[in-house]
Amino acid sequence: DVKVTQSSRYLVKRTGEKVFLECVQDMDHENMFWYRQDPGLGLRLIYFSYDVKMKEKGDIPEGYSVSREKKERFSLILESASTNQTSMYLCASSSSDRADYEQYFGPGTRLTVT
Amino acid sequence: LAKTTQPISMDSYEGQEVNITCSHNNIATNDYITWYQQFPSQGPRFIIQGYKTKVTNEVASLFIPADRKSSTLSLPRVSLSDTAVYYCLVGDIRANYGGSQGNLIFGKGTKLSVKP
Repeated sequence: DVKVTQSSRYLVKRTGEKVFLECVQDMDHENMFWYRQDPGLGLRLIYFSYDVKMKEKGDIPEGYSVSREKKERFSLILESASTNQTSMYLCASSSSDRADYEQYFGPGTRLTVT
Repeated sequence: LAKTTQPISMDSYEGQEVNITCSHNNIATNDYITWYQQFPSQGPRFIIQGYKTKVTNEVASLFIPADRKSSTLSLPRVSLSDTAVYYCLVGDIRANYGGSQGNLIFGKGTKLSVKP
């Protein structure tokens, strides 16, 4: 079974702090994604990576950056956390071999910025 | 970019068939349509995917008309355990390669409540 793990289920940070959210997948997938999920807004893509050191912006990249130094690991960075970044963050991965891809999601990290 | 629209919520009873429709008027030629299920405190889970016509697997069917501007997820004989949020996703991940930004667009989700 594909396993996507996220470093924390719950995280509380203060405004202005630098925050790292880590995601690891064990299926040798090329593609990795970061989404945020908010009530009434559904899932919105923040960033996407299709290879090591490659990244592409999604719908809402402002205030975020990402890092992918190894194939299995994709990190989301909040350089200076703000209260409007309080949200559920979901990581996903998928294979690029298939035209009809399927994304595998981690359990999510609920981040609260106070 | 293909924007998706789904009903916010639906109610059903055990044993009934449930159909959830997603509208995606601006779907692109290479876009696939994928449906995910999400339970509280979990990440979404893949249900079914299609490009056109009808697709069926062990848990659901997906109907896509010829113009592909909508899709309908059909859940046969739902049970209480099917209570969840269902998302449709339209896009082609390969369109993101090299920065062309063919973004993946999730709908806002349909909360399905199944009652006994």
